[in-house]
Amino acid sequence: SQTIHQWPATLVQPVGSPLSLECTVEGTSNPNLYWYRQAAGRGLQLLFYSVGIGQISSEVPQNLSASRPQDRQFILSSKKLLLSDSGFYLCAWSVGGSYEQYFGPGTRLTVT
Amino acid sequence: AQSVTQPDIHITVSEGASLELRCNYSYGATPYLFWYVQSPGQGLQLLLKYFSGDTLVQGIKGFEAEFKRSQSSFNLRKPSVHWSDAAEYFCAVGGTGFQKLVFGTGTRLLVSP
Repeated sequence: SQTIHQWPATLVQPVGSPLSLECTVEGTSNPNLYWYRQAAGRGLQLLFYSVGIGQISSEVPQNLSASRPQDRQFILSSKKLLLSDSGFYLCAWSVGGSYEQYFGPGTRLTVT
Repeated sequence: AQSVTQPDIHITVSEGASLELRCNYSYGATPYLFWYVQSPGQGLQLLLKYFSGDTLVQGIKGFEAEFKRSQSSFNLRKPSVHWSDAAEYFCAVGGTGFQKLVFGTGTRLLVSP
């Protein structure tokens, strides 16, 4: 069966510091991968998606970037965090060609 | 462009009572529709989905949803709510371009004893 991991689970970082969040998927090959942000009391905002290694599409211009160095690894990064980057970050995957997405446990990021 | 509206931000239901959460979508063709549930501090879990065929779909945990094209709705129902159903529920629609989903803003379900 497929599983999706995210780490760290929680993170507290000062403004201006770098960020690296990691997501890995097991049990499937060539998945579509997604990064979402969920602000308090709001829905999910799609940040990035990827259909393959090195292929990243950005949905919203912002302070963040994403990379996919391996087939089942998806990384969310920032060089300098802003207060507005605080939120709950969710990674998801789907089988190529499917709309059905499966979510990881999330990372709670607090920028202080 | 696709959009999803969940008109109820909060709903409180007594344990054992029935539940209906509303979802309205905007999309020109037949949409792919989903309901997800999120417990506090957790990721989203897929409850059920509609792609085509029977408009009444069954999901996990005793939930069901009915697709009504004439009303552009995909409401989630459960005949008897349990305290463990307290969570946030998200409706989502897909159907254009790359396999992206558009999510509603969610409905928080509170279950009273």
